[in-house]
Amino acid sequence: QVQMMQSGAEVQKPGASVKVSCKASGYRFISYYVHWVRQAPGQGLEWMGWINPNTGDINYGQKFQGRVTMTRATSISTAYMELSSLISTDTAVYYCARSRGLGFLDFWGQGTLVIVSS
Amino acid sequence: DIQMTQSPSSLSASIGDRVTITCRASQGVGHYLAWYQQKPGKAPEPLIYAASSLESGVPSRFSGSGSGTDFTLTISSLQPEDFATYYCQHYDTYPLNFGPGTKVDIK
Repeated sequence: QVQMMQSGAEVQKPGASVKVSCKASGYRFISYYVHWVRQAPGQGLEWMGWINPNTGDINYGQKFQGRVTMTRATSISTAYMELSSLISTDTAVYYCARSRGLGFLDFWGQGTLVIVSS
Repeated sequence: DIQMTQSPSSLSASIGDRVTITCRASQGVGHYLAWYQQKPGKAPEPLIYAASSLESGVPSRFSGSGSGTDFTLTISSLQPEDFATYYCQHYDTYPLNFGPGTKVDIK
């Protein structure tokens, strides 16, 4: 069965970076884009961007341009999302999700809580 | 960017009620519209794709309709496990955007 398994919770200081991993299993990793979506406490869902695991091509949301880096390691079927220059409003649960087609997100990771606090 | 709105933002309903949630896009998205259900502390789960196609494993009491800018999600007979927040999302172009959510709770 398809699974997206994310790394554990993180606490980072303002100005630091965080790197979240997402290990895919149960399907051919390079055949589906991986998207990243975040959710601040008590708030809605915010799309951050995608990576094409086959080519490494990326598409970032404008809000995150210059601060986010999405990469992948095809040998271990894992996608990564690194967010730099963290501020308190980056405190959120970060989800990876596989997309079918342009952007229907059919399988999600369990989420990774990132807390930014001094 | 295409912006998404939902109404109502919350509703209270009883078991067995028919529930309808509306989603509107700021410009036409064809049929590139999905619905997700999210329970507290859990990741969203897909319900509907392509505006009206039921995702595998989703109960048939869920249905979606619409095209262009106006869409609806209907739960024909609300069950206890349906109390959750529902989000629409377009995937016509990038950036993807989600609606603000509709919280369905117990009357």
